Amino acid sequence: NAGVTQTPKFQVLKTGQSMTLQCAQDMNHEYMSWYRQDPGMGLRLIHYSVGAGITDQGEVPNGYNVSRSTTEDFPLRLLSAAPSQTSVYFCASSYRGRNTEAFFGQGTRLTVV
Amino acid sequence: AQTVTQSQPEMSVQEAETVTLSCTYDTSESNYYLFWYKQPPSRQMILVIRQEAYKQQNATENRFSVNFQKAAKSFSLKISDSQLGDTAMYFCAFKGVDQGGKLIFGQGTELSVKP
Repeated sequence: NAGVTQTPKFQVLKTGQSMTLQCAQDMNHEYMSWYRQDPGMGLRLIHYSVGAGITDQGEVPNGYNVSRSTTEDFPLRLLSAAPSQTSVYFCASSYRGRNTEAFFGQGTRLTVV
Repeated sequence: AQTVTQSQPEMSVQEAETVTLSCTYDTSESNYYLFWYKQPPSRQMILVIRQEAYKQQNATENRFSVNFQKAAKSFSLKISDSQLGDTAMYFCAFKGVDQGGKLIFGQGTELSVKP
């Protein structure tokens, strides 16, 4: 059981480049989310999804796009990378139930130069 | 909007001693869920303990326990018999009811356990 798989683990981008962070889960979880982690700020929600075909914005959505065409996959797209997007990104998933644990991927460390 | 505050950026404790990490939150909801996550240097996010707001009894998981004060909106984590493997960043998190699984995190507390 792989759980939540994020790729890549590390990435360096040049300003203005675009890329997609991949996230896949094999637990048939309805909910999926993307967070970014910055020093002294904890994890902040970028986008989330409550099911295939349904996405919504979180606290810091600017510069990022998401889609959820299947239950398993929830990719995060950076449209035009900026140095302010240098961060560690986490994908998480959980069941629909109220008191359910969120499972996290291993994170992607992204540097934009 | 809900907020979560961890006012201790760094803490240290001697091995085998007890340490308490603080967390306060703000919400207008009456029912919600609170979590403590551990992030070791490997970067993996690991659930330590969870608390349901409508349960008055404090949650306990082996050496980890919480002091949940609903009226004060406080949710502290106590680690007993600290071990070197407890060295990590600890995050307090809030989850509302029927909010799509969204978690609101505090800023984190970096805990060092010294031999």
